[in-house]
Amino acid sequence: QQQVKQSPQSLIVQKGGISIINCAYENTAFDYFPWYQQFPGKGPALLIAIRPDVSEKKEGRFTISFNKSAKQFSLHIMDSQPGDSATYFCAARKGSARQLTFGSGTQLTVLP
Amino acid sequence: EPEVTQTPSHQVTQMGQEVILRCVPISNHLYFYWYRQILGQKVEFLVSFYNNEISEKSEIFDDQFSVERPDGSNFTLKIRSTKLEDSAMYFCASSEGSSGGELFFGEGSRLTVL
Repeated sequence: QQQVKQSPQSLIVQKGGISIINCAYENTAFDYFPWYQQFPGKGPALLIAIRPDVSEKKEGRFTISFNKSAKQFSLHIMDSQPGDSATYFCAARKGSARQLTFGSGTQLTVLP
Repeated sequence: EPEVTQTPSHQVTQMGQEVILRCVPISNHLYFYWYRQILGQKVEFLVSFYNNEISEKSEIFDDQFSVERPDGSNFTLKIRSTKLEDSAMYFCASSEGSSGGELFFGEGSRLTVL
């Protein structure tokens, strides 16, 4: 019940295309859902996050869509660029707990 | 821009040896964390630390692991007797303190156990 399931494992997109990564969770106590971006040799860096009181959050080319009833959330990267090539992790956290539960990661490659 | 710094970047050790990984969190942050990432796998929570004590720990964080804040700046992870399966990238992170606080990760310390 603590798991966050992420798909796809890898994704190849043409420059200018839309990248979509999906996550699903079971624990309804989760109330904070961040996405992290990780470049090779670097630590994860927060990209964008959402709480379940909203269904969508947009920051620049990055949008989180959240479906509370389906217990799913997704990351959309519009106008994908080669510089977006990285591994993306969804995560979830519940209440006052400190630990993040991460998804398994998606390796995104944006072709020039 | 303030950042979390970790040392060493890479450590190779023999099975059964003790290892200490060091982290300097962002100076005004109050919560400190260790996560690990086995090669090609997801990032896993190990432990969180606040007010000089462990606030949460995972099943991975068994008696072989310990954390310490020996002074006002460093935060360390000690693995008492390393096993082959401890080989991973270990990430330190810190956050300001509120429940919605963003975690800032360091670049990681790669541990290879031979």
